[in-house]
This record gives sequence, C-alpha cells and structure tokens, in this order.
Amino acid sequence: DTGVSQNPRHKITKRGQNVTFRCDPISEHNRLYWYRQTLGQGPEFLTYFQNEAQLEKSRLLSDRFSAERPKGSFSTLEIQRTEQGDSAMYLCASSFVSNYEQYFGPGTRLTVT
Amino acid sequence: ELKVEQNPLFLSMQEGKNYTIYCNYSTTSDRLYWYRQDPGKSLESLFVLLSNGAVKQEGRLMASLDTKARLSTLHITAAVHDLSATYFCALWTLNNYQLIWGAGTKLIIKP
Repeated sequence: DTGVSQNPRHKITKRGQNVTFRCDPISEHNRLYWYRQTLGQGPEFLTYFQNEAQLEKSRLLSDRFSAERPKGSFSTLEIQRTEQGDSAMYLCASSFVSNYEQYFGPGTRLTVT
Repeated sequence: ELKVEQNPLFLSMQEGKNYTIYCNYSTTSDRLYWYRQDPGKSLESLFVLLSNGAVKQEGRLMASLDTKARLSTLHITAAVHDLSATYFCALWTLNNYQLIWGAGTKLIIKP
C-alpha cells in the first residue's frame, strides 16, 4: 500500500504525559501537513512542511506541540504535558508541491484521561 | 476572518431523492475541495474545483464552483445508502497554503 500511513492508530494517555505520533507520507510527496479533528468538526490546520522545512504553524499549535520532518521523509508530532483538551483525531496528509490535492492518512486517535 | 460555512449540517433523506449541499466562503481562492469521511475513517478526496464555473461529476455526485458568488455546491442525484457519510468542503488559502474546512454535512440516506 503506497498511501499515507500513521502510527499508532490509537493512543490513550494520562494527563501530563508526553506522546509522539508518526506519519509516513506518500514517498514522492514534498509537502506534509498535520491537522487536528474533534468530533463533529472539520479538520483544523496545525502545521506543514515542505521537504524538511516547517513553513507554517497555526496559532492553535501551542508551545507544547512540536513537529519535525527530518530528511524530508516521515514526520513526528509530539505533544508534551498532554491535557484533556488535546483529545482528538490527529490527521496527516501529503501532497506534491505542484499539485495541491492532499491525501490523508487514517489518523491517530488520542484520548487523554 | 476566513470562514467556510456549510449547510445543512445534517441531512436525512430517502433513497432515490435528490439534494444539494452548499458551501459558502468568505475570501477569494483559486481552488475548492470536497472530501468524504466515513465514521471513524480518514478523509477521501472527491473533487478539486479549480476555476469559476467548474463542474465535476462522479457517479451520483456532482460538484460546482461559482467564484463570484463564493459558493460551491455538491449535488446528490438519486441517493443510495452507500453515500451515507459526512461531506466536507475545504478552501485553499492563497497566502499561507492552508486548507480552511467547513464543519461538514452529515448525510444519512435511508433505504
């Protein structure tokens, strides 16, 4: 399967713990995006990379959130000191620079207890 | 403020009927997307609309874009149960390379 993959698919953590998610984009895609989606809402943009450079971050991305894309391949999203309000589906998408159509992964569902 | 508004947010309809979902947006853009999401699943791209007057069709779904009115529509013809899902429109923003999403329309099609 050459689609976007995300791991883990589900994560349950206690408040205050750190969590890290991984996204493997479609291999030829230069751009990689992270979104957060809560129940009954559309996705909210968090950040995006072009190759290894993080070019845009949303105001929603507090200093507890950090994302990396070393070597322009896979990306990680880390949330430090998780709060209950962080419970959501975290979606990753990738695209070519020249074609803005984004292909989404299956998401990581985070539950903070 | 950039806004993308969908209506209705919830739609229950009978198989065989036609209906339209509306997507209004508040700023100029050169592309609008429609996605489908099944419960607990990720997002599946349906259509990318690139210019004023663009119309795309796939099966029982047809999407159109009127950039002057800042309006896109997703029309469902002779609905079938398999089309039950949540449909999102999303607007590409020219200045910061983001997709701004509508809240979604949850569509339930009853046999």
